[in-house]
Amino acid sequence: DGGITQSPKYLFRKEGQNVTLSCEQNLNHDAMYWYRQDPGQGLRLIYYSQIVNDFQKGDIAEGYSVSREKKESFPLTVTSAQKNPTAFYLCASSMPHGGIPGTFGSGTRLTVV
Amino acid sequence: RKEVEQDPGPFNVPEGATVAFNCTYSNSASQSFFWYRQDCRKEPKLLMSVYSSGNEDGRFTAQLNRASQYISLLIRDSKLSDSATYLCVVNQNQGGKLIFGQGTELSVKP
Repeated sequence: DGGITQSPKYLFRKEGQNVTLSCEQNLNHDAMYWYRQDPGQGLRLIYYSQIVNDFQKGDIAEGYSVSREKKESFPLTVTSAQKNPTAFYLCASSMPHGGIPGTFGSGTRLTVV
Repeated sequence: RKEVEQDPGPFNVPEGATVAFNCTYSNSASQSFFWYRQDCRKEPKLLMSVYSSGNEDGRFTAQLNRASQYISLLIRDSKLSDSATYLCVVNQNQGGKLIFGQGTELSVKP
């Protein structure tokens, strides 16, 4: 079945550590996205990528980095520069044209300990 | 101004009620529109696309007004299981960026 796989489901990070969240899709979608969701709030765009080897900052990119070396994969690194990383991270993919809606992974809950 | 704005919630309604959510978007070049549903601590899932002519799926009706840059979702005969957060989503064709509203929480009570 086609879909998006995010891993891990839960992640604990110590202060000052970098961690990488995985996102893989087999939907042949060109565009991929990373969103952050805080309790009781909507989704905020961190980074997005429309094609391989290209990505753009979203609204809250500071303290995060991404890569898009393969169409299927869009990992997100939460760096030590991100001062408040505890949140629910959601990866999505879509086709950039044609009105096809986005599909989400099941998310990663990151907690700083 | 936010790119996509929704009614602030939460909406608390009794079972059987009709409830409407509104959403406005700022980019007039936006091409496609959707409503997503998000259950607590889960990922958003597509509820329905929104077409210019309006569309209905059972108890749910979505409408789009391009001139006013306004999208709506109407839920008739609310069920307890409709309790969730409803997200308005706009796909900007220039670059295909998915933009989410902040969501409106619905709580349907017995």
